[in-house]
Amino acid sequence: QVQLQESGPGLVKPSETLSLTCTVSGGSVSSGSYFWTWIRQPPGKGLEWIGYIYNSGSTNYNPSLKSRVTISVDTSKNQFSLKLSSVTAADTAVYYCARDGGYTGYFDLWGRGTLVTVSS
Amino acid sequence: EIVMTQSPATLSVSPGERATLSCRASQSVSSNFAWYQQKPGLAPRLLIYGASTRATGIPARFSGSGSGTEFTLTISSLQSEDFAVYYCQQYNNWPPWTFGQGTKVEIK
Repeated sequence: QVQLQESGPGLVKPSETLSLTCTVSGGSVSSGSYFWTWIRQPPGKGLEWIGYIYNSGSTNYNPSLKSRVTISVDTSKNQFSLKLSSVTAADTAVYYCARDGGYTGYFDLWGRGTLVTVSS
Repeated sequence: EIVMTQSPATLSVSPGERATLSCRASQSVSSNFAWYQQKPGLAPRLLIYGASTRATGIPARFSGSGSGTEFTLTISSLQSEDFAVYYCQQYNNWPPWTFGQGTKVEIK
């Protein structure tokens, strides 16, 4: 079955760019009609949708993060990625990659998540 | 942005009892609404979508109801594995899709 796995640095300095990758196994990031999505969760808090990529390149972002977020896809590696620039301590969170149910908006497949701490 | 408000923040329930969780949307989301369960250290798991459709593999003791702005998740007889945090989500209006702040179901 399809599985998702996040990877990337666990520690990022303030003002730098957070970069994470989600590797898709058991399926293809370029097949089907899915929103390949990033969601984050600050420690002890709720979930925040960051954005998604679909159709091998079209994107949609949370307006609150839009100026700092880029989501891209590498079909040759079967991965999609998140870049978040100018990070602050408020960006410390567990970052999840997820897939929706097929152009639906609810998320039926999640990675295990990766904690990113913003600190000098 | 649609704001999702869950109540209560914490629900204390004895095993075997019924649990009722609520979620209110700041404007109508039709039935484009989902519930998730999250256990410590794990990713959320989809329970309900379309306000009332159970996701694959979800036991029948979980049921969802509501439409528009008021939604309910009912767990008919709490099992030990059901103690967790539950989140609601609307996917009717975006960007952004939004989640509630969560309801923690704890052992009474």
